[in-house]
Amino acid sequence: GENVEQHPSTLSVQEGDSAVIKCTYSDSASNYFPWYKQELGKRPQLIIDIRSNVGEKKDQRIAVTLNKTAKHFSLHITETQPEDSAVYFCAVAGGTSYGKLTFGQGTILTVHP
Amino acid sequence: DTGVSQDPRHKITKRGQNVTFRCDPISEHNRLYWYRQTLGQGPEFLTYFQNEAQLEKSRLLSDRFSAERPKGSFSTLEIQRTEQGDSAMYLCASSPRLQETQYFGPGTRLLVL
Repeated sequence: GENVEQHPSTLSVQEGDSAVIKCTYSDSASNYFPWYKQELGKRPQLIIDIRSNVGEKKDQRIAVTLNKTAKHFSLHITETQPEDSAVYFCAVAGGTSYGKLTFGQGTILTVHP
Repeated sequence: DTGVSQDPRHKITKRGQNVTFRCDPISEHNRLYWYRQTLGQGPEFLTYFQNEAQLEKSRLLSDRFSAERPKGSFSTLEIQRTEQGDSAMYLCASSPRLQETQYFGPGTRLLVL
């Protein structure tokens, strides 16, 4: 089955700095790559996603890049704010795991004011 | 609130008891997923439905677990003879037809004593 590795497990930045989280996956047939933000005690919320026919997608301060050849994708948050502090999960779907999401282990992002 | 809803939000039970959780997806979403999330980990896929058909079950889903979606709308997840290892957050998600995006509910937190 699909295997997703996420790094780093914790990330601490100063307000205004950029943050980058990376994920690698194993199934080359995977074709859907969402990122979720989860605050303590709350539901995972989709913040951005990308499909395999696109190399990069941006939404205001958030961007995702995908390298299909290397089988990795990254979340980029610019001009971080304290309210960006949360756990971020990457996920992968498609290929042999059609429909279901396989999640990474999560990154605890802390943005210091 | 037109999002995914789950009931109950919290459940404390004694080892060996049966528990049942309910998920109401977003209206007209034909796919419904169940995940389990333990502290510090990403959600793990359990099972999913397309309309009323259960299309895939994870190896994590032992024979003590059963899920139904009898009319293609709400779904129930039952755990029989609960064990302490079943303590986790049980998350439900739904997707609209022909889209991969999954929208999560608030989860049911289960504690088995």
